[in-house]
Amino acid sequence: QQQVKQSPQSLIVQKGGISIINCAYENTAFDYFPWYQQFPGKGPALLIAIRPDVSEKKEGRFTISFNKSAKQFSLHIMDSQPGDSATYFCAASMGYNTDKLIFGTGTRLQVFP
Amino acid sequence: GAGVSQSPSNKVTEKGKDVELRCDPISGHTALYWYRQSLGQGLEFLIYFQGNSAPDKSGLPSDRFSAERTGGSVSTLTIQRTQQEDSAVYLCASSLVAGSSYNEQFFGPGTRLTVL
Repeated sequence: QQQVKQSPQSLIVQKGGISIINCAYENTAFDYFPWYQQFPGKGPALLIAIRPDVSEKKEGRFTISFNKSAKQFSLHIMDSQPGDSATYFCAASMGYNTDKLIFGTGTRLQVFP
Repeated sequence: GAGVSQSPSNKVTEKGKDVELRCDPISGHTALYWYRQSLGQGLEFLIYFQGNSAPDKSGLPSDRFSAERTGGSVSTLTIQRTQQEDSAVYLCASSLVAGSSYNEQFFGPGTRLTVL
């Protein structure tokens, strides 16, 4: 019940295309859903996050879509660029007691020019 | 200001030896977390410190793993009698305030541990 399932494991997209990464969770107590971006040899960095009281959040080319009833959320990267090539992790946490993050297994995105 | 720093960046050890990994959080951050990233896996929560409260150790995989945080700042993760399955990247993160769910966790670059 603590798991966050992420797919696909890897994704290849052409420059200018849309990258879509999906995550699903079971625990309805989760109330914070961030996405992290990680480049090789670096620690993950927060990209964008959403709370369950909204269905969509957009920041530049990055959008989170959130479906509370389906317990699913996804990251959309519009106009994907080679510089977006990285590993993306979805995560979830229950903020009332702890901020510890439960992470998905990651998606390795490669954007080709 | 400086970000989260971790040392060493790489550690190679022999099976059965003890190792200590260090984390320096961002100054003023009250919450500190340790995660483990194994090849092909996501990040696995290990332990969480918040101020003077008792740490949340619920993610530690065995009693060979322990961590302490001295003076509310620097933290050390200790792995005793290392095993090959302990090989992973150990990541430390800190955040300004914990327990409110919406505080960004800032990650360090990690320590890559290899147990031969």
